[in-house]
Amino acid sequence: NAGVTQTPKFQVLKTGQSMTLQCAQDMNHEYMSWYRQDPGMGLRLIHYSVGAGITDQGEVPNGYNVSRSTTEDFPLRLLSAAPSQTSVYFCASSPIRTGAGNTIYFGEGSWLTVV
Amino acid sequence: GDSVTQMEGPVTLSEEAFLTINCTYTATGYPSLFWYVQYPGEGLQLLLKATKADDKGSNKGFEATYRKETTSFHLEKGSVQVSDSAVYFCALTVLFKGAQKLVFGQGTRLTINP
Repeated sequence: NAGVTQTPKFQVLKTGQSMTLQCAQDMNHEYMSWYRQDPGMGLRLIHYSVGAGITDQGEVPNGYNVSRSTTEDFPLRLLSAAPSQTSVYFCASSPIRTGAGNTIYFGEGSWLTVV
Repeated sequence: GDSVTQMEGPVTLSEEAFLTINCTYTATGYPSLFWYVQYPGEGLQLLLKATKADDKGSNKGFEATYRKETTSFHLEKGSVQVSDSAVYFCALTVLFKGAQKLVFGQGTRLTINP
């Protein structure tokens, strides 16, 4: 099984450029989310979705957009990249209808540098 | 609010040493608790989990027990190997706007020397 697939793995952007991080999962999970990982801060939730057509903001949503047109895909868009968005980004998915304690599966991460 | 506090790293041990990485949490209700591991250059992998008080999660020789009375979920391994070198994250799940969200500790970098 592919699980959660993120692309690209590495990207360098110039300030002000836009780009999209792709995320796809093949486990038919309703719940998908994006986190960013910064040194000494663990992972923080950017945006999440509980199903196709439904998205909502997490803890640090500013500067990012998401959409969920299908169950499988959950792209993250940076509208106008800033150096503060230099980070490692992780996409994650899990089922949400089977109760608490569901394992959340992560992609391999996308290393983004904004110069 | 909900939070997770891990012992600060980095932690450096010799092969076959005993490992403990402390983790305590603050949460309303009864969260599920997790340890995730991140090997160099890779994403996060679930190491083990526990969903209720006194549960013990275990995997690959690692163990952690959900202690509600001390709000702790310390990670232990009896004899570490060089291949255990990684960053370890303690986390809990909370309900966030109707869905579950992971709240992570800051991570503990572990290096095992041969």
